Amino acid sequence: EVQLVESGGVVVQPGGSLRLSCAASGFTFADYTMHWVRQAPGKGLEWVSLITWDGGSTYYADSVKGRFTISRDNKKNSLYVQMNSLRTEDTALYYCAKGGGSIRTSFLFDNWGQGTLVTVSS
Amino acid sequence: DIQMTQSPSSLSASVGDRVTITCRASQGISNYLAWYQQKPGKVPKLLIYGASTLQSGVPSRFSGSGSGTDFTLTISSLQPEDVATYYCQNYNNALLLTFGGGTKVEIK
Repeated sequence: EVQLVESGGVVVQPGGSLRLSCAASGFTFADYTMHWVRQAPGKGLEWVSLITWDGGSTYYADSVKGRFTISRDNKKNSLYVQMNSLRTEDTALYYCAKGGGSIRTSFLFDNWGQGTLVTVSS
Repeated sequence: DIQMTQSPSSLSASVGDRVTITCRASQGISNYLAWYQQKPGKVPKLLIYGASTLQSGVPSRFSGSGSGTDFTLTISSLQPEDVATYYCQNYNNALLLTFGGGTKVEIK
């Protein structure tokens, strides 16, 4: 069974930094593209970032480009996102999500974690 | 950016009704379209990918259709457990991964 467990969400001041982690199990982590997706309170879903299976390519939503950095450690079956220069509008539940099993489906999300809440507030 | 526009934003229907949700892309995305279901307080769940392929374990009352810019999600006979918000997502380009605004489905 695929399990994705996020951690690291806290209350942080505007301009602050935070690193989220996602521990993966139940599948061969190193074979899959992984994503971060967020959801502001009471709002819809927003894709944040992806990293390919080997870490060779990363992509970001315009809203976080230059501030967030996604990374992975395939030996530890873990996904990360370093979040800098945080803004109040970054307040959201951050989900770790697994990409699909083929090149064609790697950019969709077939398994999700429970999420970790990031609150940016003074 | 590719914009994904869902309609309606909410609907209320009776148990057993046929429910249709539409999703329109601002430019053609072939069939790189997925649908997700998010029940209240729960994690999103993948329902359909490739515009019309049902994810394993999803009840057959759910179906999807469309290609290019216009897509639909249909629930053939609405059940109480289908109360949720439904999102479409375009996944044809790593630079342009976007969700629709969501459609909230309630029981009348």
